Amino acid sequence: DAGVTQSPTHLIKTRGQQVTLRCSPKSGHDTVSWYQQALGQGPQFIFQYYEEEERQRGNFPDRFSGHQFPNYSSELNVNALLLGDSALYLCASSRPGQGFFESDTQYFGPGTRLTVL
Amino acid sequence: AQTVTQSQPEMSVQEAETVTLSCTYDTSESDYYLFWYKQPPSRQMILVIRQEAYKQQNATENRFSVNFQKAAKSFSLKISDSQLGDAAMYFCAYRKDTNAGKSTFGDGTTLTVKP
Repeated sequence: DAGVTQSPTHLIKTRGQQVTLRCSPKSGHDTVSWYQQALGQGPQFIFQYYEEEERQRGNFPDRFSGHQFPNYSSELNVNALLLGDSALYLCASSRPGQGFFESDTQYFGPGTRLTVL
Repeated sequence: AQTVTQSQPEMSVQEAETVTLSCTYDTSESDYYLFWYKQPPSRQMILVIRQEAYKQQNATENRFSVNFQKAAKSFSLKISDSQLGDAAMYFCAYRKDTNAGKSTFGDGTTLTVKP
């Protein structure tokens, strides 16, 4: 059973550029959440996708956007990169059941390390 | 807003000994979930243990157990018979019952296991 996968593993960008990160959820999962983890800190919730729609959003500017595809995979896009966007970006998926409101365990991917120079 | 606090940035334990990691949280909700995640240097966040707030019984998973004190809003993790492979960053996380996605994390505790 394949777990959550993310690509790329590492990425280096310069200020002002745009970046796209990708996530494939664990088999059987339909809900994808994205987190930003700065060095030495806990993950911070960016947003969550379910049924191809953004359902919840954390305290992040609209430079951060996303998308979910019919196969449940997801992309995180960040525009106009700032030095402060340098972080580990984690994707987490959870399984269906009672739908969006079911609370279930999130499984995390290995993350994408983004460095902004 | 919910907050999660881990007051121990670093902890160390001798191999085969027991260590307890602390976590407190703040919420006005009555139903919620609490989690401990382990993040080794490889970066993969791995679920260690999960506790539903409505359950009075403390969760246990092999060598890992929790002490859940709902009134005190405390959720500590006990690791028994510590092994070298337990060395990692440990995160405490909170999630509301009707909130399938958003989890609030503490800033983590780095656990070192000494041989």
